[in-house]
Amino acid sequence: NAGVMQNPRHLVRRRGQEARLRCSPMKGHSHVYWYRQLPEEGLKFMVYLQKENIIDESGMPKERFSAEFPKEGPSILRIQQVVRGDSAAYFCASSATRGTNTEAFFGQGTRLTVV
Amino acid sequence: KQEVTQIPAALSVPEGENLVLNCSFTDSAIYNLQWFRQDPGKGLTSLLLIQSSQREQTSGRLNASLDKSSGRSTLYIAASQPGDSATYLCAVNSNEKLTFGTGTRLTIIP
Repeated sequence: NAGVMQNPRHLVRRRGQEARLRCSPMKGHSHVYWYRQLPEEGLKFMVYLQKENIIDESGMPKERFSAEFPKEGPSILRIQQVVRGDSAAYFCASSATRGTNTEAFFGQGTRLTVV
Repeated sequence: KQEVTQIPAALSVPEGENLVLNCSFTDSAIYNLQWFRQDPGKGLTSLLLIQSSQREQTSGRLNASLDKSSGRSTLYIAASQPGDSATYLCAVNSNEKLTFGTGTRLTIIP
């Protein structure tokens, strides 16, 4: 059973371009979470999705950022018109359940560099 | 708003010693607490999950405790090894969101 798969592992974008980060959850997991780790800072929650639904996007910047988890295929975190401040490691996690039994499993992350 | 603090920020100990990492959180209304390890440039590896109704969990040389009423958790590592060198992160699950501490960077000296 493969773990949480994220790709690409490293992504370089010029200012103003779009970045698309992909996350395939563990088999059987229908809950996906995105976190961002800025340089020298802790991980911060961005968004929580279930299949075809955004459950909690309270950590998402109001502009340029969007996320989806379609019925088929991976979850996508999309950043439009990237700026240098978007450079960070973006981690995806998945879980099989909600509530007290929720154990989150993380992918290896996508390291985005904006030049 | 949940806040998580980890002390110390960095720790160096000789190989073979036992050690304790500390985590405190401000809001006791939690689902569970997870300890992770993160190696430089890598993802997070889940070490232990303690549900809100539990007091401790053990896995091999690792033991994690939870005192929800006082907002504290500890991670005990027995007989430390150089391979234990990493950053250890405490994360509290509140309403399906994990709030992370900034971690303890552990170095085991051979």
